Amino acid sequence: DAGVIQSPRHEVTEMGQEVTLRCKPISGHDYLFWYRQTMMRGLELLIYFNNNVPIDDSGMPEDRFSAKMPNASFSTLKIQPSEPRDSAVYFCASSLARFRNYGYTFGSGTRLTVV
Amino acid sequence: GIQVEQSPPDLILQEGANSTLRCNFSDSVNNLQWFHQNPWGQLINLFYIPSGTKQNGRLSATTVATERYSLLYISSSQTTDSGVYFCAVGQGAQKLVFGQGTRLTINP
Repeated sequence: DAGVIQSPRHEVTEMGQEVTLRCKPISGHDYLFWYRQTMMRGLELLIYFNNNVPIDDSGMPEDRFSAKMPNASFSTLKIQPSEPRDSAVYFCASSLARFRNYGYTFGSGTRLTVV
Repeated sequence: GIQVEQSPPDLILQEGANSTLRCNFSDSVNNLQWFHQNPWGQLINLFYIPSGTKQNGRLSATTVATERYSLLYISSSQTTDSGVYFCAVGQGAQKLVFGQGTRLTINP
């Protein structure tokens, strides 16, 4: 298995522009998580899905952030409009809640810089 | 919400040394995982260990759920063990809350 695949690896954009981050989970996994990592706040959960349905989006900072999972093999995290304070590394992770082994597998992350 | 505290925040050791990293959490959990973030930023799952003891090569972990702590042991450290070690806890398949991490530096 290729693991969790995120794209792009790096993104530099200007303030006010729309940014779309992409994630392909491990095939067969039924949970997908979006995390953001910053020096100040560490790793914080933004939103997670179970069987493509959003379960908890309480971590989404504000209305500028939105996430979708149109099918089991693809999810997007969109920021519109982007701001400098959105600069961070965004991670996607997936897990399979079967046999009660909930181990996460993370993607390589997208480093976002908003200038 | 649940609080996760890791100690020590920083640890510097010579190659070959052993180390113990600790994770305390404030509420009962049935999902606890340890991760290693390498210097390139990749997060690697080391253990899923809500209770008991597991070993994988030079690494082992023990979770005492009733006392709300977990320990990660690294024996015969290598420079490739450097990075940040995170403990994360939660309930079932739901979201994990991450600690602030222990930064481990192994010098040759």
